[in-house]
Amino acid sequence: GAGVSQTPSNKVTEKGKYVELRCDPISGHTALYWYRQSLGQGPEFLIYFQGTGAADDSGLPNDRFFAVRPEGSVSTLKIQRTERGDSAVYLCASSLRDRNEQFFGPGTRLTVL
Amino acid sequence: GQNIDQPTEMTATEGAIVQINCTYQTSGFNGLFWYQQHAGEAPTFLSYNVLDGLEEKGRFSSFLSRSKGYSYLLLKELQMKDSASYLCAVRDPGDSWGKLQFGAGTQVVVTP
Repeated sequence: GAGVSQTPSNKVTEKGKYVELRCDPISGHTALYWYRQSLGQGPEFLIYFQGTGAADDSGLPNDRFFAVRPEGSVSTLKIQRTERGDSAVYLCASSLRDRNEQFFGPGTRLTVL
Repeated sequence: GQNIDQPTEMTATEGAIVQINCTYQTSGFNGLFWYQQHAGEAPTFLSYNVLDGLEEKGRFSSFLSRSKGYSYLLLKELQMKDSASYLCAVRDPGDSWGKLQFGAGTQVVVTP
């Protein structure tokens, strides 16, 4: 498939646990973005990468959230010591460059019990 | 920061026209995007405006007035499949190129 893919599609975890969410961008896209979306709201920016480096991480809510993109392609969003308030759909997007339109993946629905 | 306002919900009949307004209050402006999002699915890109005026793309058109901080998305010849949430997103030159700020979305319900 040519689109952005995210795994897992659903993740249920317990409060305090660690989770990793994975994103595979469209081949050739240099920019990759993470957003989270709560019910009835628009996506909320978390972080984006241009290549391997984080170009803007101003949306990460606290130091429990961390993301990497070591080879400039696949990215992993890591959440430590999950809290119930972290429950949301985590969306990944990619674009050719950071000023182009962003193409979104289907998201990972995270539920923290 | 941004304050992006859209109506929460709009209802229209199949075959009709609907106009979804978006107003934004920003310290600057560097482009406005419209996305469509069906329930449980990813947002899909519809249009991009950076200069004043109307951009037409098939049944969908998007308008921008930078002086008024205002945009609208016009959906013509509505079809049942157009029932979705429509998201307005703004890029502020005070932010990085990649950072979009989204409104809460407008839920459009198309009735037969």
